[in-house]
Amino acid sequence: NAGVTQTPKFRVLKTGQSMTLLCAQDMNHEYMYWYRQDPGMGLRLIHYSVGEGTTAKGEVPDGYNVSRLKKQNFLLGLESAAPSQTSVYFCASSYQGLGYGYTFGSGTRLTVV
Amino acid sequence: TQLLEQSPQFLSIQEGENLTVYCNSSSVFSSLQWYRQEPGEGPVLLVTVVTGGEVKKLKRLTFQFGDARKDSSLHITAAQPGDTGLYLCAGANAGTYKYIFGTGTRLKVLA
Repeated sequence: NAGVTQTPKFRVLKTGQSMTLLCAQDMNHEYMYWYRQDPGMGLRLIHYSVGEGTTAKGEVPDGYNVSRLKKQNFLLGLESAAPSQTSVYFCASSYQGLGYGYTFGSGTRLTVV
Repeated sequence: TQLLEQSPQFLSIQEGENLTVYCNSSSVFSSLQWYRQEPGEGPVLLVTVVTGGEVKKLKRLTFQFGDARKDSSLHITAAQPGDTGLYLCAGANAGTYKYIFGTGTRLKVLA
């Protein structure tokens, strides 16, 4: 009963480095989301996907890219990391769209130095 | 900007006490969820309320959706240390179709 799995759990990057955060769900959910959570800012939507092969921008998309090549996977990429991207990143999925509640992964704590 | 304001922001109580957390907005929501998040983990969905005036109970937790679907409350009876965590409300805005998270209430229950 895995639900939503995120890897890695922790990562430290130097400014300018790139990395990809992986998210996998085994619930056959259509919708997937990437959020970042910062103290005092709450959860903010970065990008989302309403199905395999689709992606869309959320509230804070700058500096991030995503891909949804397979229904079960949603990847978040940072091309050139900046200290402002230090945050905890959460992936979530839902069977349908708005109003049905999300299943979240356990998060990735990213520090950019 | 649509906001879901939660109050109080922080709450520290003794085991056995009762408490209520509020989630308020000026916007109408088609549905509203409550989540609990423990340190180092992602939010976990507790409940969904859809109908104005709806009340749902989950053991010692009682959730209510306001009649006008603009606000909600979470009441915990006889709080236990295991209730410690960050409580988040979130809603699907009926007008903009955006899903918004509340500002959060951090609860600590002392044994």
